[in-house]
Amino acid sequence: GAVVSQHPSRVICKSGTSVKIECRSLDFQATTMFWYRQFPKQSLMLMATSNEGSKATYEQGVEKDKFLINHASLTLSTLTVTSAHPEDSSFYICSAKDRADQPQHFGDGTRLSIL
Amino acid sequence: GEDVEQSLFLSVREGDSSVINCTYTDSSSTYLYWYKQEPGAGLQLLTYIFSNMDMKQDQRLTVLLNKKDKHLSLRIADTQTGDSAIYFCAECSNTGGFKTIFGAGTRLFVKA
Repeated sequence: GAVVSQHPSRVICKSGTSVKIECRSLDFQATTMFWYRQFPKQSLMLMATSNEGSKATYEQGVEKDKFLINHASLTLSTLTVTSAHPEDSSFYICSAKDRADQPQHFGDGTRLSIL
Repeated sequence: GEDVEQSLFLSVREGDSSVINCTYTDSSSTYLYWYKQEPGAGLQLLTYIFSNMDMKQDQRLTVLLNKKDKHLSLRIADTQTGDSAIYFCAECSNTGGFKTIFGAGTRLFVKA
């Protein structure tokens, strides 16, 4: 149980393109979803936390107009990287939990490469 | 703020035991987790322990918690090459709104 599906797994696109990444909880209702960014050989950097039906809470230094997060249902959250540039290239990982006192379950990540 | 620290690198020989250590600062931590990340993948929850427990064993994995010293360890018995990965320690406290704090990860390298 507790499967989180993240799609796509790999994206390569031109600078200036907007890219949408989906995160779905397959067998549980995700009241809270998280988006992380991970640079090579580095730890996870929490970008934002989203609760279903409400606006995402962004961490300090993360541009909310650049990284649009939508958590429209209890099983789906999306991260849109708007007008992506090469410095946005990274590994993006989502996670979800159904209850506050439960562990986070992670998707397999999305490798984003902006040319 | 609250912090979780772990050593960055560990190298062991196949068949030996691996011990990955972690320290945390939040004395009100309620849950402590170990996650495994293989190259190019997300994090997989390996095991977790409640703060009122001292030890938890699950097959080759043994988690030890010293709450007084705020020290958590993960022991992998009979380490295999397939255990090579990054292991993240994480803590979660009910007083912090159940926000999960992750360590920087320990890269385990298993030599054949």
